Amino acid sequence: GENVEQHPSTLSVQEGDSAVIKCTYSDSASNYFPWYKQELGKGPQLIIDIRSNVGEKKDQRIAVTLNKTAKHFSLHITETQPEDSAVYFCAASKRKAAGNKLTFGGGTRVLVKP
Amino acid sequence: DVKVTQSSRYLVKRTGEKVFLECVQDMDHENMFWYRQDPGLGLRLIYFSYDVKMKEKGDIPEGYSVSREKKERFSLILESASTNQTSMYLCASSSPGQGALEKLFFGSGTQLSVL
Repeated sequence: GENVEQHPSTLSVQEGDSAVIKCTYSDSASNYFPWYKQELGKGPQLIIDIRSNVGEKKDQRIAVTLNKTAKHFSLHITETQPEDSAVYFCAASKRKAAGNKLTFGGGTRVLVKP
Repeated sequence: DVKVTQSSRYLVKRTGEKVFLECVQDMDHENMFWYRQDPGLGLRLIYFSYDVKMKEKGDIPEGYSVSREKKERFSLILESASTNQTSMYLCASSSPGQGALEKLFFGSGTQLSVL
């Protein structure tokens, strides 16, 4: 089955700096790569996703890049703010006729220091 | 907004007890999922369901069962709780979107402690 590795496990950045989280996946058939953000006491929420036919996607201060050849994808957060402090999860899945079974990475705890 | 409600935020049970974790969603989603979250291991899929009375095993189904009698409700059952089932349990729902690449909506989680 699919295996997703995520690094680093913790990341501390100064407010205003950039943060980068990297994930690798094992199944070359995977074609959907979402990122979820989990704030304290809440369930994860989707913040951005990318499909295998796209190399990069941006949404305001966050961007995701995908390298299918190397089987890795990354989340970039620019101009970090205190509200970016959270746990971030990457995930991967294959297109299916019914349902979307995601395999998640181990998570990255991001702390933005004011 | 989609709401996924888990019945308890914190639960403490004893080894050997039968435990029920309940999840209800209010957006008529076809798909429902149960994950467990452990530090460093991320979210691991226990069971999922694409329709009423339908269930499929995820990656770590051992020691668990599920029930989906109504579309909006998905229950996770620990037949005989053990200490290694102490964890955060997250329920999620989704609806098949374009190309079946749909967004998951999560509940806030139930922190289960088995003593």
